[in-house]
Amino acid sequence: AQSVTQLDSQVPVFEEAPVELRCNYSSSVSVYLFWYVQYPNQGLQLLLKYLSGSTLVKGINGFEAEFNKSQTSFHLRKPSVHISDTAEYFCAVRSGGYNKLIFGAGTRLAVHP
Amino acid sequence: GAGVSQSPSNKVTEKGKDVELRCDPISGHTALYWYRQSLGQGLEFLIYFQGNSAPDKSGLPSDRFSAERTGGSVSTLTIQRTQQEDSAVYLCASSKDRVAGNTIYFGEGSWLTVV
Repeated sequence: AQSVTQLDSQVPVFEEAPVELRCNYSSSVSVYLFWYVQYPNQGLQLLLKYLSGSTLVKGINGFEAEFNKSQTSFHLRKPSVHISDTAEYFCAVRSGGYNKLIFGAGTRLAVHP
Repeated sequence: GAGVSQSPSNKVTEKGKDVELRCDPISGHTALYWYRQSLGQGLEFLIYFQGNSAPDKSGLPSDRFSAERTGGSVSTLTIQRTQQEDSAVYLCASSKDRVAGNTIYFGEGSWLTVV
């Protein structure tokens, strides 16, 4: 069975500071990993995804994530956040042969001036 | 439009009434998903349609929930005899096909409040 754990429910950070949102997954087969962002009162938007190849994946809005197979992690990072990055971030996993995308519980990123 | 379209965007209904939520996927997308997002509950998979194959209904929480997809395009999620615990945002999503690495695109959701 697949599962995703987002280790922090809320992350407060000051503007222009770096941030890391943590995500661990479990799966018995090879996986595809995704990060989505949800701005207030909006749907989910894909930030980035890992399919294969380079373990460092770059996405939109300056975000990047690193796939670590040995630690079963896919942490999301940004070197300098903006107020506009305030949103809910969801990590998700999907395996070949499985229909559904399994989401973590989400991490609320609050960027303060 | 270019994205996944859902209607209504907001629905307030009385307990015990039936509701229908509609989803128009991105044109040409054969895979369609319904998810439920409840306060503090994260995103819960409900049902998945792929082309003409039998849907994966494994996430439907009770027999009050059903969904259909007509003509391989528009989908309707129906909740019968609504309960207060059904209050949530219902998100529809679509992807090009069932390939696991394909991006799944989400609509903005239908906010359901049962009073």
